[in-house]
Amino acid sequence: LAKTTQPISMDSYEGQEVNITCSHNNIATNDYITWYQQFPSQGPRFIIQGYKTKVTNEVASLFIPADRKSSTLSLPRVSLSDTAVYYCLVGDPSRGYNQGGKLIFGQGTELSVKP
Amino acid sequence: GAVVSQHPSWVICKSGTSVKIECRSLDFQATTMFWYRQFPKQSLMLMATSNEGSKATYEQGVEKDKFLINHASLTLSTLTVTSAHPEDSSFYICSARSIGSSLAKNIQYFGAGTRLSVL
Repeated sequence: LAKTTQPISMDSYEGQEVNITCSHNNIATNDYITWYQQFPSQGPRFIIQGYKTKVTNEVASLFIPADRKSSTLSLPRVSLSDTAVYYCLVGDPSRGYNQGGKLIFGQGTELSVKP
Repeated sequence: GAVVSQHPSWVICKSGTSVKIECRSLDFQATTMFWYRQFPKQSLMLMATSNEGSKATYEQGVEKDKFLINHASLTLSTLTVTSAHPEDSSFYICSARSIGSSLAKNIQYFGAGTRLSVL
């Protein structure tokens, strides 16, 4: 299973764009990159998923370079409510549980948004 | 979007009793469900993978007789913490992965979690 490395924490201010980069040097050919957001005492919430290039949805953008060894989650104009832990995970969700299909969480990035 | 319901959200029990936690996928079918536990200020730790109609697969170090998992249907998996002790107190979270027809790329969706406190 590909291991991911993220900054442990980041600080930002309301209205700023926040970019969180995740390193996954050993990503496999069939692996997707998925980002989750978790608030205290809640389950992780799916944010975005991508395989290559750029993916954008209503809450974030995901940038993936050609070599796919890293990815960057971009949150536009953050607010106080975006304060949370953000997890980057890689895996092939279509595989069986013993073939890389399960998601293993790393430490995540604790984002603190200040007024 | 996909909804995973987890019940109860909070449970307090006496040491030695058993506690059952339910995880349901409300608007999609899930052949595979996952159970995690999370201690304060730590990341999620995968405990086991639950496959509909077959035995669960436990991660290394997780006692299968302690944490009983049943995945009887495509929308329900249960985790039973047997003979609970204070060290089992934790935040338990389930997730479900869609079969893939209506939801793209087999995304894993999470329940809200269950806070277990063993006295």
